[in-house]
Amino acid sequence: AQSVTQLGSHVSVSEGALVLLRCNYSSSVPPYLFWYVQYPNQGLQLLLKYTTGATLVKGINGFEAEFKKSETSFHLTKPSAHMSDAAEYFCAVRPSYNTGANSKLTFGKGITLSVRP
Amino acid sequence: DAGVTQSPTHLIKTRGQQVTLRCSPKSGHDTVSWYQQALGQGPQFIFQYYEEEERQRGNFPDRFSGHQYPNYSSELNVNALLLGDSALYLCASSFTGGYTFGSGTRLTVV
Repeated sequence: AQSVTQLGSHVSVSEGALVLLRCNYSSSVPPYLFWYVQYPNQGLQLLLKYTTGATLVKGINGFEAEFKKSETSFHLTKPSAHMSDAAEYFCAVRPSYNTGANSKLTFGKGITLSVRP
Repeated sequence: DAGVTQSPTHLIKTRGQQVTLRCSPKSGHDTVSWYQQALGQGPQFIFQYYEEEERQRGNFPDRFSGHQYPNYSSELNVNALLLGDSALYLCASSFTGGYTFGSGTRLTVV
């Protein structure tokens, strides 16, 4: 079984400040990890993903995340927040052993990011 | 290249009614998954269709059923609607594990 924990439901930062959104996962097998962003009344857009290889993953819009197996974490960061970053962010996990059709995503509850001017 | 298309975008149903939601996958994708996202929550996996068969199912009752057509498009059917079925329903298509999500259908049950 797999699960994702996103501590805290709301993070507020000032424009230009560091963004740090935390994600911890539980998985009995090596995981693939994802971060998605959701703007109001829209679907999910993939920010970045970790599958294999380099543990520091760079995504769109200046976001990056580091897979730390020893800490079972995949925290999302951005050096400088922009007003347009205000949205809901979801961390998700799926097992790595199946790259075919039968690989569901398990999501965390999400974190709302607010950016203050 | 069109992404995942879902219809309708919004609908309102009465408790006890039945509803059908539709999804057209991204070109080249052969697998469709459905998720339910209640207000303030993360998406929850309902089921997944591949080669016109339900391959995996989440913890949802039999009132939730689906179908996949030969062109890979899919439907989600919900019978005997409950107030608690009010949510955003997301469709995701994939091919070898890369997921693309649609914008969702907002279902309100009154």
